[in-house]
Amino acid sequence: AQSVSQHNHHVILSEAASLELGCNYSYGGTVNLFWYVQYPGQHLQLLLKYFSGDPLVKGIKGFEAEFIKSKFSFNLRKPSVQWSDTAEYFCAVNQPGTASKLTFGTGTRLQVTL
Amino acid sequence: NAGVTQTPKFRILKIGQSMTLQCTQDMNHNYMYWYRQDPGMGLKLIYYSVGAGITDKGEVPNGYNVSRSTTEDFPLRLELAAPSQTSVYFCASGRDGEAFFGQGTRLTVV
Repeated sequence: AQSVSQHNHHVILSEAASLELGCNYSYGGTVNLFWYVQYPGQHLQLLLKYFSGDPLVKGIKGFEAEFIKSKFSFNLRKPSVQWSDTAEYFCAVNQPGTASKLTFGTGTRLQVTL
Repeated sequence: NAGVTQTPKFRILKIGQSMTLQCTQDMNHNYMYWYRQDPGMGLKLIYYSVGAGITDKGEVPNGYNVSRSTTEDFPLRLELAAPSQTSVYFCASGRDGEAFFGQGTRLTVV
């Protein structure tokens, strides 16, 4: 069974600092990769996704992620965070042809201070 | 466009009670899912469906049941509520590998 690891459980940054959140997955075959964001009290929203092609993926709100197949990684980045980026971030993976069932990491809580 | 709608948003149950969490989607997606979210644990798949009349267990199905009589609806049933089922429940529908989530139901079992 596949698994997803997010090693940063809680990250605190000042506004304008750069962000990188780690995500590693265990499955060796073809995967689809996702980053979801959950703002306080809200549902999950898709930040970005990777299915194939250019391994550098740009998403909403200035976020991007890079798929490095050799490292089984899909790290999320943002050059300059804002207070409004305070949220929980989930990395997720699924395999093509498996009813799009997602396996989630445990999440990273990002707190941005003014 | 409503997307995925869940009701209720909040509920408190007593141990042993039963209830149904409702989920409706208006995007005509074949795939639908129920996840539960517990602090520090991420989201775990309870049940999923690939179309009307077809359901299957996910990672944590014990204590739950589902049905899928129409494309739009995918209710989740708790028959005998237990404190371990205190959680936030998310319904989602899917297309082309991507999932769209509802607002969630916060359930407390006391």
